[in-house]
Amino acid sequence: AQSVTQLDSQVPVFEEAPVELRCNYSSSVSVYLFWYVQYPNQGLQLLLKYLSGSTLVESINGFEAEFNKSQTSFHLRKPSVHISDTAEYFCAVSVQGAQKLVFGQGTRLTINP
Amino acid sequence: EAGVAQSPRYKIIEKRQSVAFWCNPISGHATLYWYQQILGQGPKLLIQFQNNGVVDDSQLPKDRFSAERLKGVDSTLKIQPAKLEDSAVYLCASSLRSWAAQVDTQYFGPGTRLTVL
Repeated sequence: AQSVTQLDSQVPVFEEAPVELRCNYSSSVSVYLFWYVQYPNQGLQLLLKYLSGSTLVESINGFEAEFNKSQTSFHLRKPSVHISDTAEYFCAVSVQGAQKLVFGQGTRLTINP
Repeated sequence: EAGVAQSPRYKIIEKRQSVAFWCNPISGHATLYWYQQILGQGPKLLIQFQNNGVVDDSQLPKDRFSAERLKGVDSTLKIQPAKLEDSAVYLCASSLRSWAAQVDTQYFGPGTRLTVL
């Protein structure tokens, strides 16, 4: 069975500072990896995904994540955060050939001015 | 394009009562999912439909939870009777089942927040 661990439940940072949200997964088979974001009072939205190819994937709002197979990690980074990035971030995996998503516990990102 | 619709947004009931949630997926999406998100945890898949057939309901507590998608479009999730531990946000998601794609993107609704007293 697959599992996802998000190592930090909360991450407070100052505006314009860099941030890294950590995600590790376990699986005995090949997986796809995702980051979803949940803004206050909204549903989950896909931020970015890794399917194959380049291990570095980017989103349209400046986030990036790197797939590291040897460390079974898919950490999310942004070089400079904005107040509008305040949200909860979920890492998820799905097994290749299946559509089911297995989510981590979530990391609440709080941006302080 | 309209997103995934869910109703109600909030529901408060007492334990042992029944409750039902409704979901209308994005038009044309063949796959529909119900997730349970308990406070402080990530969403957990309860059931997955492909059109009107069940693909995966391995984590659905079938003694009290039921779900249907009779016409392959909208879906209803029911809890009968509810327990205190059922307090959670119930999320519906849908995806376009594209056989050419490696994986479908799931689009989530805003969720229904259930409080069981």
